Amino acid sequence: AQSVSQHNHHVILSEAASLELGCNYSYGGTVNLFWYVQYPGQHLQLLLKYFSGDPLVKGIKGFEAEFIKSKFSFNLRKPSVQWSDTAEYFCAVNTGYGQNFVFGPGTRLSVLP
Amino acid sequence: GAGVSQSPSNKVTEKGKDVELRCDPISGHTALYWYRQSLGQGLEFLIYFQGNSAPDKSGLPSDRFSAERTGGSVSTLTIQRTQQEDSAVYLCASSFSGTDLETQYFGPGTRLLVL
Repeated sequence: AQSVSQHNHHVILSEAASLELGCNYSYGGTVNLFWYVQYPGQHLQLLLKYFSGDPLVKGIKGFEAEFIKSKFSFNLRKPSVQWSDTAEYFCAVNTGYGQNFVFGPGTRLSVLP
Repeated sequence: GAGVSQSPSNKVTEKGKDVELRCDPISGHTALYWYRQSLGQGLEFLIYFQGNSAPDKSGLPSDRFSAERTGGSVSTLTIQRTQQEDSAVYLCASSFSGTDLETQYFGPGTRLLVL
C-alpha cells in the first residue's frame, strides 16, 4: 500500500520568509497528488492538486507545488508567507478509490508577525 | 446544503458507552468517506461509501466500529463500547462520484473524548 511522508512536523517562519514543505510518497504507478490546508478552527480544504500535465501546479493564496516523479515528491512552496498562512498542511496521494486516498501526517506552519 | 455537515461537533462519553456520529454530505455527492484524526497524526482512513456499492470497510480498526449510509445520503458512524484510545476527531468527506480525480470536501469533524 502507498504511504505519504512529510518531512517536517512543525515549521516556524517569520512573515515574508519563503516556504517549502516536503512531501514524499511511495507508489510506483500513476498518482494524483493533493495538498490540503486546515486553518485554525476551520475545515480541511483543498489548496491545490496535480493530475497530469505541467508538473508545476498553482493553487490558491499564492501556493504552488512541483511534482518530481523521479523523486516521488510533491513539495509545497510559497515565496513569501503571511501570518494568515498559519495552519496545518496535509499532503495526500490518490491511486484509486476509498482506502487508496492516503494522507500524510501533516506539517504545522506557524508564521510569526 | 452548502457543505458537508457533521453532528455533534463535540461528544464526551464514558468508557464502554456507544456513540453515534452523523454526516450529511453535499447534496448530489455519491461518494462519502470517514476518517479519524488523532492528536499529532494524519488522517486515518476508516470507511468509504460509493453509491449503492458495498462499502470499503478496510480501514475500520475493530469490530466495535461500524457505519451505515441510508438512502445514499446521510451516514452514521457507530462506535460500540468506546475505549479511551477512540478519542479523536472523526472527519467526514464527500465527493461527486469518488473517482481518483476528484477533490474531497470535508466537514468540520466531531471531536470525541472518551473518559
